[in-house]
Amino acid sequence: GAGVSQSPRYKVAKRGQDVALRCDPISGHVSLFWYQQALGQGPEFLTYFQNEAQLDKSGLPSDRFFAERPEGSVSTLKIQRTQQEDSAVYLCASSLEGQMNTEAFFGQGTRLTVV
Amino acid sequence: GENVEQHPSTLSVQEGDSAVIKCTYSDSASNYFPWYKQELGKRPQLIIDIRSNVGEKKDQRIAVTLNKTAKHFSLHITETQPEDSAVYFCAASISGGGFKTIFGAGTRLFVKA
Repeated sequence: GAGVSQSPRYKVAKRGQDVALRCDPISGHVSLFWYQQALGQGPEFLTYFQNEAQLDKSGLPSDRFFAERPEGSVSTLKIQRTQQEDSAVYLCASSLEGQMNTEAFFGQGTRLTVV
Repeated sequence: GENVEQHPSTLSVQEGDSAVIKCTYSDSASNYFPWYKQELGKRPQLIIDIRSNVGEKKDQRIAVTLNKTAKHFSLHITETQPEDSAVYFCAASISGGGFKTIFGAGTRLFVKA
């Protein structure tokens, strides 16, 4: 596709339920990022992949959060035993270069609501 | 780690006036500073960026300035239009072995017609 695609767009989960959020980056993009954006706040970094390697996961808030990108393209962010504070928009972004700082293109995000 | 502070949090201007949003960063290793515009319910989109080897960059009505010594950078929008109304985020990128972009908290800009 032409841009970064995320699915689902909206997800309502009951507290304690596991969820999986998908990101399809722009084809050929080396870098992939996950961000969490709470209402009225800026995106907060969660984790970063260069191809299939997860190089930085310092932003993952707890061990309930897990991300993977097994073949270096599609990525999945999994949240286990969801809690109300996990409610946010989860943004995925990709960029062409691995080592250089270049423009990151964002997906439209997945709005997660935990009830 | 890097910390990016942005102000003001809200800015209201009259159509045709200029708007200025200011950011500071803490990590002197940061060398890439993008600005994103996010309309309600939509994805952040890059509007302009600047690298640490230049002090100013301009693109039509939008300009960004960078002061590396003071670790300040600013977004300037001239001749504002109602369609400029959105949330603007500054960001700083930490380089080396891959990178992550740290965002400011955002500025909600209202342009009154």
